[in-house]
Amino acid sequence: RKEVEQDPGPFNVPEGATVAFNCTYSNSASQSFFWYRQDCRKEPKLLMSVYSSGNEDGRFTAQLNRASQYISLLIRDSKLSDSATYLCVVNMGAYNTDKLIFGTGTRLQVFP
Amino acid sequence: DTEVTQTPKHLVMGMTNKKSLKCEQHMGHRAMYWYKQKAKKPPELMFVYSYEKLSINESVPSRFSPECPNSSLLNLHLHALQPEDSALYLCASSQRRPQRPNSETQYFGPGTRLLVL
Repeated sequence: RKEVEQDPGPFNVPEGATVAFNCTYSNSASQSFFWYRQDCRKEPKLLMSVYSSGNEDGRFTAQLNRASQYISLLIRDSKLSDSATYLCVVNMGAYNTDKLIFGTGTRLQVFP
Repeated sequence: DTEVTQTPKHLVMGMTNKKSLKCEQHMGHRAMYWYKQKAKKPPELMFVYSYEKLSINESVPSRFSPECPNSSLLNLHLHALQPEDSALYLCASSQRRPQRPNSETQYFGPGTRLLVL
C-alpha cells in the first residue's frame, strides 16, 4: 500500500463546477497535512494546510478524518486558472523531524 | 518574502562530470530539503537538514552529496551520475520552531532541471 494515495484523475470539469479530491494515508501517527498545487513544469506551491476541524479558504475547503485516515479537498466554482495537479501531502516525520510524503497527484483540467 | 532560489535552472552533464546545485533562502528558515521529481511523478525526499545538520538521508546513492555551509545555503554535489538521475531537483525550506513537533509550510524553489547524458 502506498503511504499517500490519491484519486488517479484526470478530472475534466467545466468552469463553475464543484470538484472534490480524496486522499488516504497509511501512517496513523501523522500530524500535519497539506494540499499543494503544482502547475506544469513549475514547483509545488502550498494551497492550504488541513486542520482536524476542517478549514476553508475562499472557494477551497479541506477536511481531515483522522479515524479513517482520509483527507479531502473541495473546489467550488472552478476557474480556468484552477487547472493544475493537486498533491496531497502528509508529514510522516517522527517528533521534531519533517518528512513530507507526496501523493501521486490528481490532475484537474477546467474547460470553458 | 517567501522566496527560495536555485541555480542553475538547467544543467546538462556527462556521466564523468562533477557539478553542484545551489539553493538559497533568506527567510530565516532552519530546515532545508532536497527533493527529486521525475516526469509525471510526485517529488521524492532525498535529504533533510535541520539547523545545518543532516537529519534525514533517504538512502540516496553516494554520487549525490549534500552540503549545508550555513543556515541560508544548501548545495547538492553531483559526481558520476547516471542517465536515470535526470530529473527536476527541488530545494525547499521551512521554519523550525523548537516548541512545535513539526514545522509548517515548506516553500519550494523553482528547481534545477538536470539532464545526464
